[in-house]
Amino acid sequence: ETGVTQTPRHLVMGMTNKKSLKCEQHLGHNAMYWYKQSAKKPLELMFVYSLEERVENNSVPSRFSPECPNSSHLFLHLHTLQPEDSALYLCASSPQGAGNSPLHFGNGTRLTVT
Amino acid sequence: SQQGEEDPQALSIQEGENATMNCSYKTSINNLQWYRQNSGRGLVHLILIRSNEREKHSGRLRVTLDTSKKSSSLLITASRAADTASYFCATDGQGAQKLVFGQGTRLTINP
Repeated sequence: ETGVTQTPRHLVMGMTNKKSLKCEQHLGHNAMYWYKQSAKKPLELMFVYSLEERVENNSVPSRFSPECPNSSHLFLHLHTLQPEDSALYLCASSPQGAGNSPLHFGNGTRLTVT
Repeated sequence: SQQGEEDPQALSIQEGENATMNCSYKTSINNLQWYRQNSGRGLVHLILIRSNEREKHSGRLRVTLDTSKKSSSLLITASRAADTASYFCATDGQGAQKLVFGQGTRLTINP
């Protein structure tokens, strides 16, 4: 177990659906992250939350909407996605800023948009 | 934008041999990290090396950092089949909250 749990592990959704990805960490970390991993591309940082405040939004389309209700939980709300949004979505946490401490990743949600 | 670039993109060796992967980056950094990812899983942190360090060891792993050349290497000694995975370097050169990853090296250890 990584200490960071993501659900669901797999998700298939149509372009008109609305779904949410969930991430939970029990490591007492202050920062949480969403990354997107597509085939043959580097990991793309999407959002960063530090102490429940969003500190980074990496020019992500508005069809992705993050939510961090407390320091242990992070959501990614999805609506009207495109097929190119199919990817592995990884959540991570760290005790402090990512540059100064290791990231702890969940096992990801494999998203397929049909 | 991409900061770290790993080389080679793919590496296949026999069990017991050493594996070396390289990472180059563009801007100044405070730290560089290496991660491993098994197929279909999340990334696992291996080593963090600070800009004032030149070498760091962890078990069969050895990481070097050359800030003058903006490069790092990861050496895995006495490789095992279980080392088969993708390996990524990541740098903090674009801000304290941003850890930017390269595309990774796909390592295959043949029994």
